[in-house]
Amino acid sequence: GENVEQHPSTLSVQEGDSAVIKCTYSDSASNYFPWYKQELGKGPQLIIDIRSNVGEKKDQRIAVTLNKTAKHFSLHITETQPEDSAVYFCAATKGSGYALNFGKGTSLLVTP
Amino acid sequence: EADIYQTPRYLVIGTGKKITLECSQTMGHDKMYWYQQDPGMELHLIHYSYGVNSTEKGDLSSESTVSRIRTEHFPLTLESARPSHTSQYLCASSEPGQGSGYGYTFGSGTRLTVV
Repeated sequence: GENVEQHPSTLSVQEGDSAVIKCTYSDSASNYFPWYKQELGKGPQLIIDIRSNVGEKKDQRIAVTLNKTAKHFSLHITETQPEDSAVYFCAATKGSGYALNFGKGTSLLVTP
Repeated sequence: EADIYQTPRYLVIGTGKKITLECSQTMGHDKMYWYQQDPGMELHLIHYSYGVNSTEKGDLSSESTVSRIRTEHFPLTLESARPSHTSQYLCASSEPGQGSGYGYTFGSGTRLTVV
């Protein structure tokens, strides 16, 4: 299948700092790019998403940017808090369909 | 609160046994998916369905099968469990409607151990 690459695999920041996670995708037909947060013992939860006709979207401390030409998108978390600690996944649609390909995840640790 | 339910949460079973992992959603979503999550947390698509009587295989080769007889129910069956099937299995569904790529709602997962 088409690949979604995600970096870094682990990220440690101090409380109050910003965190950035980057993803690239290879399928030029992908048109929807969600981000998920997974806490221990739970399923992933959607935190923000962006469609291919939008360059940036923000929801409080979380923002996502998309560069369709370069086929990359990024998650930005500002003013991080310890409760932001979790594994974060980016994803992209398989072509213009509904199924998603996921990145390998980023384990974010926010230290007080 | 999640409206997609997976049972059981944990299952330990012997090699060669047949098992069915249950997944049900109450949101009326047409699209449903099964992912296998390995210990490194990577998510692999193993099956999906875009509606009743529609099922497709995903990218990861799997010895499991699925059925979609009712909109709300998407069970996953392993005919003969093997230790290599030990993993976390996540079910998800997504919103119907025009266009593509509506976000998934995931269940809490079934952690399967085959001994």
